[in-house]
Amino acid sequence: DQQVKQNSPSLSVQEGRISILNCDYTNSMFDYFLWYKKYPAEGPTFLISISSIKDKNEDGRFTVFLNKSAKHLSLHIVPSQPGDSAVYFCAARGTGNQFYFGTGTSLTVIP
Amino acid sequence: DSGVTQTPKHLITATGQRVTLRCSPRSGDLSVYWYQQSLDQGLQFLIQYYNGEERAKGNILERFSAQQFPDLHSELNLSSLELGDSALYFCASSSGGGLYTGELFFGEGSRLTVL
Repeated sequence: DQQVKQNSPSLSVQEGRISILNCDYTNSMFDYFLWYKKYPAEGPTFLISISSIKDKNEDGRFTVFLNKSAKHLSLHIVPSQPGDSAVYFCAARGTGNQFYFGTGTSLTVIP
Repeated sequence: DSGVTQTPKHLITATGQRVTLRCSPRSGDLSVYWYQQSLDQGLQFLIQYYNGEERAKGNILERFSAQQFPDLHSELNLSSLELGDSALYFCASSSGGGLYTGELFFGEGSRLTVL
C-alpha cells in the first residue's frame, strides 16, 4: 500500500523556467513532509521540508507547498538549472518517526 | 558527505546465499533506518532501530533480519537470497527522539546483485 505517491515518473523543463514536482499522500496523520534529491550512484540528500501546520516553506529557489485538504504537496524550483537534474523523492513522516517515500520523479533541466 | 557509511558498496552473489550489509550512522545519531530500492521502485522502508532496539518494521521479509549494536552501527542480514532481492539497500540515520522533526541522512547505498 503506497501511502505516498508521485504519479509523474519524469519531467523535462527548460533552463530558467519553473519546475513543479507533485506528490500525493493518503494518511492524514502524517505530520512532516520532506523532499529529497538523488543523483546517480549517490544516496538521497535532504532538500527541503514542511510541517503539517504550515502551507508553504521557501528556501532560495525551492518552495514546498502543502494542501492538507487535498493531501497534496508540491515542490517548485525557480529558476530551474541544469544542476537540478536528478531524481526527486517526496517523503512523509508518520507515527514512530517512520518515513514513507514516493517512487520518485526524474527531473531533466534542458540547457 | 552525509556522514553515514555503508559497506560494501557493491556485492554480487548467488541465489541461496547469505550476505550482511553494514551501516555506520552519523556521529551521535541514535536512529538507523534501512530502505530497499528496487528497479523503478521508490524507497521501501524495511526496518528502524533506535538506540539498539527495534522501533518499527516495514516491508521486511522473514529471510531478512537486522540489528543495531551498542556502538550504534547496524547490520542488515539477507539470507536465502533470490533474484528479486537484487536492489540498492540504503541506510539512513537521524538523531531520533520524541520531538525530532529533522531529516534522515542517507548513506550511498549497497548495491546487491543476485545471480
